[in-house]
Amino acid sequence: DARVTQTPRHKVTEMGQEVTMRCQPILGHNTVFWYRQTMMQGLELLAYFRNRAPLDDSGMPKDRFSAEMPDATLATLKIQPSEPRDSAVYFCAAGTGGLETQYFGPGTRLLVL
Amino acid sequence: SQQGEEDPQALSIQEGENATMNCSYKTSINNLQWYRQNSGRGLVHLILIRSNEREKHSGRLRVTLDTSKKSSSLLITASRAADTASYFCAEESRGSTLGRLYFGRGTQLTVWP
Repeated sequence: DARVTQTPRHKVTEMGQEVTMRCQPILGHNTVFWYRQTMMQGLELLAYFRNRAPLDDSGMPKDRFSAEMPDATLATLKIQPSEPRDSAVYFCAAGTGGLETQYFGPGTRLLVL
Repeated sequence: SQQGEEDPQALSIQEGENATMNCSYKTSINNLQWYRQNSGRGLVHLILIRSNEREKHSGRLRVTLDTSKKSSSLLITASRAADTASYFCAEESRGSTLGRLYFGRGTQLTVWP
């Protein structure tokens, strides 16, 4: 059945390293959201795309985070350089724009030491 | 912040009992949605209620919406241990970019066998 996939599911890295997280949205779902979830802040929207174009990335620290959608089947979120405070679960979610429901991936659990 | 708030933060009940969770939001909305998150998983959409609706049912779920009080409630009837999860409300604000949701901090529901 169609679902959003994310890789890797878990990532442990050292401070200063580059982290790349990938998301494959559901085919035909043209809106992709990146969220970060922590105990302290809850679920925060980092960025989102429609038809591969960025609509809003105001929730994302621009100096170290970047989000792209090189094609309709792949969205990426990069952190360079990573910091311990980036430790969180990062979720990708997909929507169709016309329908309001969002379909979440399983998340990437990131730990920066 | 446009983030809504769920109440209570945590709820612990016995199987068979009803669980009621409340959500307050701050803006005028197009719709309000409820999602569930099992531990270690992504969020799953449960139900959506539009701003012109007052009540909606789906199986054992009942959602109400009071736009004059900017509040919503989710009732789970005859709860089961499998209902143990975190429950989030999310508002789609009128005037925001289509599809953007603002999530609350969630209610952690524990259902004891």
